[in-house]
Amino acid sequence: DGGITQSPKYLFRKEGQNVTLSCEQNLNHDAMYWYRQDPGQGLRLIYYSQIVNDFQKGDIAEGYSVSREKKESFPLTVTSAQKNPTAFYLCASSTPRGTGGLSSLTIYFGEGSWLTVV
Amino acid sequence: AQSVTQPDIHITVSEGASLELRCNYSYGATPYLFWYVQSPGQGLQLLLKYFSGDTLVQGIKGFEAEFKRSQSSFNLRKPSVHWSDAAEYFCAVGFTGGGNKLTFGTGTQLKVEL
Repeated sequence: DGGITQSPKYLFRKEGQNVTLSCEQNLNHDAMYWYRQDPGQGLRLIYYSQIVNDFQKGDIAEGYSVSREKKESFPLTVTSAQKNPTAFYLCASSTPRGTGGLSSLTIYFGEGSWLTVV
Repeated sequence: AQSVTQPDIHITVSEGASLELRCNYSYGATPYLFWYVQSPGQGLQLLLKYFSGDTLVQGIKGFEAEFKRSQSSFNLRKPSVHWSDAAEYFCAVGFTGGGNKLTFGTGTQLKVEL
């Protein structure tokens, strides 16, 4: 089945460590996204990528980094510079560019990853 | 910048009762609008979306939403709620030229009483 796979589901990080969250999709989607979810704050965009080898900062990019070397993969690194990393992280992707016009602009989500600082 | 407001943080309804979850957006141009549902500890599932055309949109699981431009609203409705509908619901807005980015509301937690 096609979908978005995030791993690990649960991750614990020590103070000062970098950690990387994996996101893989087999939907042939061009665009991929990372959102952070905190209680009562909805989802906030960290980074997004419209195409391979290109990505843009979202609203809360500080303390995070990404890469987009393959169409299927968009890993997120939470660096030690992120002062409050404990959150639920959601990866998403959207339908291919240039197909279906506006109706193609639908974002699909993975199951999420919990990151806790210990 | 566009914004989305979901005025109700928590809503409790009895099973079988009707439901309306409110969503208001702020943006000058015509937006495209979504409703997502999230079960605890899970990702978001798309319920329905609006881009243009008929302002009453049907979605999955018996949900519908109506786009009202004059009120800048996109409220989600269901005629008869089931216990399995208990979850958190998010409204989201995007716009053309926005790079497929969506802005999400803060969510409404729905509790269903049996």
